Amino acid sequence: AQSVTQLDSHVSVSEGTPVLLRCNYSSSYSPSLFWYVQHPNKGLQLLLKYTSAATLVKGINGFEAEFKKSETSFHLTKPSAHMSDAAEYFCVVSGYTSGTYKYIFGTGTRLKVLA
Amino acid sequence: GAGVSQSPRYKVAKRGQDVALRCDPISGHVSLFWYQQALGQGPEFLTYFQNEAQLDKSGLPSDRFFAERPEGSVSTLKIQRTQQEDSAVYLCASSPGTARDTQYFGPGTRLTVL
Repeated sequence: AQSVTQLDSHVSVSEGTPVLLRCNYSSSYSPSLFWYVQHPNKGLQLLLKYTSAATLVKGINGFEAEFKKSETSFHLTKPSAHMSDAAEYFCVVSGYTSGTYKYIFGTGTRLKVLA
Repeated sequence: GAGVSQSPRYKVAKRGQDVALRCDPISGHVSLFWYQQALGQGPEFLTYFQNEAQLDKSGLPSDRFFAERPEGSVSTLKIQRTQQEDSAVYLCASSPGTARDTQYFGPGTRLTVL
C-alpha cells in the first residue's frame, strides 16, 4: 500500500530565508512523487514531480526536491522564501492500488512567510 | 490554453437535496478524476474515468454518490439526498494519458450542506 506523511502541518519562515517542507512516503512499487501548491480559492498547481529519473528535481518558482530512497523522503526546499510562497503545500505519491494508479495526498503543510 | 474548469464554484444545498457538479477537463485529456477535500485535509480520491469508462469508483463514500462521463469529455458528479458530512470542496483533475500521468486540477466546487 502507498501512503505519504507530511511531517509539519504548519511552517513559518521569514522572507528571504530558506524553506524546508518535509515529506516521507511509503510505496510497494517504484513511486512517482509530486509536490502541489494550493493558494486560497485556487486550484492545485504542480510544483514538481519525480518519476525515477534524476533524484534532484527542479520545479517552478525556485523550488526543488530530492528523492532519497534510503530515507523514503521527498522534502521540498527553496533557498529564499518570498511573500507569494505563502500557501498550502501537498506531497503526493502516485501508486498502484485496487487495479489503477491513484494519487494519494498528504495532509498538507501550511507555509506562512513573515515580512 | 484553457485549464480544467468546474461549475458551480460554490453550491449551498439543504440537507436531502440532490446536487450535480460539473467538470470540463482540458481538451483531449483521456483521464479524469474526482476528489473530495474536507476542511483542513488533503484531497481524497473518489473516482477515475478513462475516456467514458469508469475504471475505478472505489473512493465513492456511499451509493448516494454517482459520477458519469458519457462522451469521454465533460463529467458530472451527482450527490443524492445530501447530508451535512458531504460538505467539502470537490476537485476535478484531468491527465493526458493514463492514471499514472501528471494530473491538472480545476479550482474546485465548494459544497455546503445546511
